[in-house]
Amino acid sequence: KAGVTQTPRYLIKTRGQQVTLSCSPISGHRSVSWYQQTPGQGLQFLFEYFSETQRNKGNFPGRFSGRQFSNSRSEMNVSTLELGDSALYLCASSVSGTEYGYTFGSGTRLTVV
Amino acid sequence: GQQLNQSPQSMFIQEGEDVSMNCTSSSIFNTWLWYKQDPGEGPVLLIALYKAGELTSNGRLTAQFGITRKDSFLNISASIPSDVGIYFCAGPAETNAGGTSYGKLTFGQGTILTVHP
Repeated sequence: KAGVTQTPRYLIKTRGQQVTLSCSPISGHRSVSWYQQTPGQGLQFLFEYFSETQRNKGNFPGRFSGRQFSNSRSEMNVSTLELGDSALYLCASSVSGTEYGYTFGSGTRLTVV
Repeated sequence: GQQLNQSPQSMFIQEGEDVSMNCTSSSIFNTWLWYKQDPGEGPVLLIALYKAGELTSNGRLTAQFGITRKDSFLNISASIPSDVGIYFCAGPAETNAGGTSYGKLTFGQGTILTVHP
């Protein structure tokens, strides 16, 4: 069974631009969560979606947004990129979001220059 | 907010040695998770613990859910080169209302494991 697929794997963007990252969960998984991983802050939760609704949100500025489609695929968007947004962005999926043993994708490595 | 403190931060061991790492918290967790992350990849779930006192094995890995619910331990026996990576403990984040924290895990800082052949 296919795992969690994130695209693209790598991105280089310029400060001030915006970026959209995509995540396709495991078939049958309806909960998708997004995390930012940096060397300094570690893994930090961004938000979680279930049935196209955001149910939970971390402490990130409004420049970070997301959405989920009816097929459970999810996208996250970062507008007005800053150098500090350079990170590995990970998405994780689960059936309902309450089982906690989430399956992570390989991530999108975003570099802002 | 909640914090998970992992130790040690890094370990350098010889192939064949056993490894122990732990994770502590100032607050109670009802679930403990252990993940491993290889370079350039996402974390992979190794073991999930759901009950205080629980001891669970997955091959050469053994993890325990502390009785106080404020700690957990991961042991790796007879280490091999492919055990190299970063090991994270994690647990469901608490919510203000004591309800379910959908999708949100609190992660420890990670233990970097290096295995010398």
